[in-house]
Amino acid sequence: GAVVSQHPSRVICKSGTSVKIECRSLDFQATTMFWYRQFPKQSLMLMATSNEGSKATYEQGVEKDKFLINHASLTLSTLTVTSAHPEDSSFYICSARDPLGWSETQYFGPGTRLLVL
Amino acid sequence: GENVEQHPSTLSVQEGDSAVIKCTYSDSASNYFPWYKQELGKGPQLIIDIRSNVGEKKDQRIAVTLNKTAKHFSLHITETQPEDSAVYFCAAVKAAGNKLTFGGGTRVLVKP
Repeated sequence: GAVVSQHPSRVICKSGTSVKIECRSLDFQATTMFWYRQFPKQSLMLMATSNEGSKATYEQGVEKDKFLINHASLTLSTLTVTSAHPEDSSFYICSARDPLGWSETQYFGPGTRLLVL
Repeated sequence: GENVEQHPSTLSVQEGDSAVIKCTYSDSASNYFPWYKQELGKGPQLIIDIRSNVGEKKDQRIAVTLNKTAKHFSLHITETQPEDSAVYFCAAVKAAGNKLTFGGGTRVLVKP
């Protein structure tokens, strides 16, 4: 299957700072990437859909000014958590859709664990 | 929108036995159903998927069945091994929207 990477894998920051998470498709070009958040022992919750060259589409209840998404190239999408607070601590996971395969198939990155102190 | 229910939430089996996880979906327009395995601290890994034009698909010890009329699909793992212990998620996708709707997950524990 296709490979998706994330960086960093783990980050600890102070309350009020901003944190950037990168998501890369390593062996394919992804016109669409997705960002999810997962709290302990819960399912994945879609935050936003990232489209290359256009604005991201946010799910209801997700603040677009707090979770900034940039999809500047066909292999890279970034999620910036601005002015992070302890309640933003979570496991953030991205996925990418391989346009050369079945269009519905999504491949996930390894996730980024964010801890805000 | 789509709603996916997954059962059971936890499943404990003896090594070598079979494990079955069931999911139901609400939107008859959904036509793609992937299953993901998530190990602790890692991202979900696609293990098998099925499309609505197929009733069953098998890959070694893993199989998935789909009943479009009843709007439910199931994951079957045979000859379970300790390394099968993980959280399994089912999901449903409508081709037009391409957004995954996940079930709540099933924590599988295979006891040696």
